[in-house]
Amino acid sequence: ETGVTQSPTHLIKTRGQQVTLRCSSQSGHNTVSWYQQALGQGPQFIFQYYREEENGRGNFPPRFSGLQFPNYSSELNVNALELDDSALYLCASSSGTGMVYGYTFGSGTRLTVV
Amino acid sequence: AQRVTQPEKLLSVFKGAPVELKCNYSYSGSPELFWYVQYSRQRLQLLLRHISRESIKGFTADLNKGETSFHLKKPFAQEEDSAMYYCALRGSGGYNKLIFGAGTRLAVHP
Repeated sequence: ETGVTQSPTHLIKTRGQQVTLRCSSQSGHNTVSWYQQALGQGPQFIFQYYREEENGRGNFPPRFSGLQFPNYSSELNVNALELDDSALYLCASSSGTGMVYGYTFGSGTRLTVV
Repeated sequence: AQRVTQPEKLLSVFKGAPVELKCNYSYSGSPELFWYVQYSRQRLQLLLRHISRESIKGFTADLNKGETSFHLKKPFAQEEDSAMYYCALRGSGGYNKLIFGAGTRLAVHP
């Protein structure tokens, strides 16, 4: 059984650019959620995908968008990068829409915007 | 508003001492609460959830609805317990949104 894998592990982008982060969910999991973790803070919910559709979104602007593919892997896209987007981006997978077993988290992608 | 508060950024104890990591929440209705842990150079992982009323690695947490708290406790701390601990609340909306606190770093000294 594989866990959640994220790529790349680190990324440096320039303000105004666009970035795509990738996530492969744990085997058997069909729900993927994305979180942003700024330095010294807890993770903040960006959105969730279930069966290839976004079914929940946190307080993030539309320039944060995502996709989920038939194999349940997912992408997070951020357009028009701002300096404040510098953070650790975490992907988490779970089974269905219940939280009985909690999330399985990936190791994250560290994004630095300069 | 739905919110999780962890008032301590750092908790420093000696090995063998009792540990209590505080967590308070704000939520209307019946909350689902979790504790996640992140050991050095490892990913965030579930430690325990209140609905299972389990003890994991000697840690327990009891939901106190009157005080809106979900404190994490262990009677005798071990050095390997040193980690970052996050309390989390499942948000409303019927999907798997977790609202995390800012986290508490537990440092257990020999």
